[in-house]
Amino acid sequence: EAAVTQSPRNKVTVTGGNVTLSCRQTNSHNYMYWYRQDTGHGLRLIHYSYGAGNLQIGDVPDGYKATRTTQEDFFLLLELASPSQTSLYFCASSDWGSGDTQYFGPGTRLLVL
Amino acid sequence: GEKVEQHESTLSVREGDSAVINCTYTDTASSYFPWYKQEAGKSLHFVIDIRSNVDRKQSQRLTVLLDKKAKRFSLHITATQPEDSAIYFCAASTGGYKVVFGSGTRLLVSP
Repeated sequence: EAAVTQSPRNKVTVTGGNVTLSCRQTNSHNYMYWYRQDTGHGLRLIHYSYGAGNLQIGDVPDGYKATRTTQEDFFLLLELASPSQTSLYFCASSDWGSGDTQYFGPGTRLLVL
Repeated sequence: GEKVEQHESTLSVREGDSAVINCTYTDTASSYFPWYKQEAGKSLHFVIDIRSNVDRKQSQRLTVLLDKKAKRFSLHITATQPEDSAIYFCAASTGGYKVVFGSGTRLLVSP
């Protein structure tokens, strides 16, 4: 079973604050994804990557940056957090892209006051 | 771009009954349709998928049907059990790098 971990699991920040969410996968998967989950919207793709140093823009990228530093590590950065970014964030990985099973991390719950 | 709609936000069934969750998609180029399950307070995990070269796939109590003409696919769960209670997400992909998810259907299985 693929292993994807996320940290922190819970985070509270204030409007305008900086937040970094971390994701690590230990199965040598090529693709990694950041999603946000909001009631009524399901999962929406923020950014994704198909390898170290690569970054692709997803469907809801505004206000988010991401960086893939290694094959294992994918970070999501909120440089000026806003209350609209209060959400549950999931990281996922897959071996060869969208036609392959995605393995999800446990999620990070972010509250922006 | 691709849009995936799940038509039932909540579905309630009695234990032992069957449940059907329906999804539609917009992009005729979509070729891969996975389903994920999210139990209360937990993350998502894969349950079953279907590719566009077949119209039916079964795995134990789960069956996925795909109607490419109608751009519709569905998840059928037979002999439902309380542990089937969860949010189920359908998704579609054209084979690029990303998958588009539906908004989720909460399935409640009551004793």
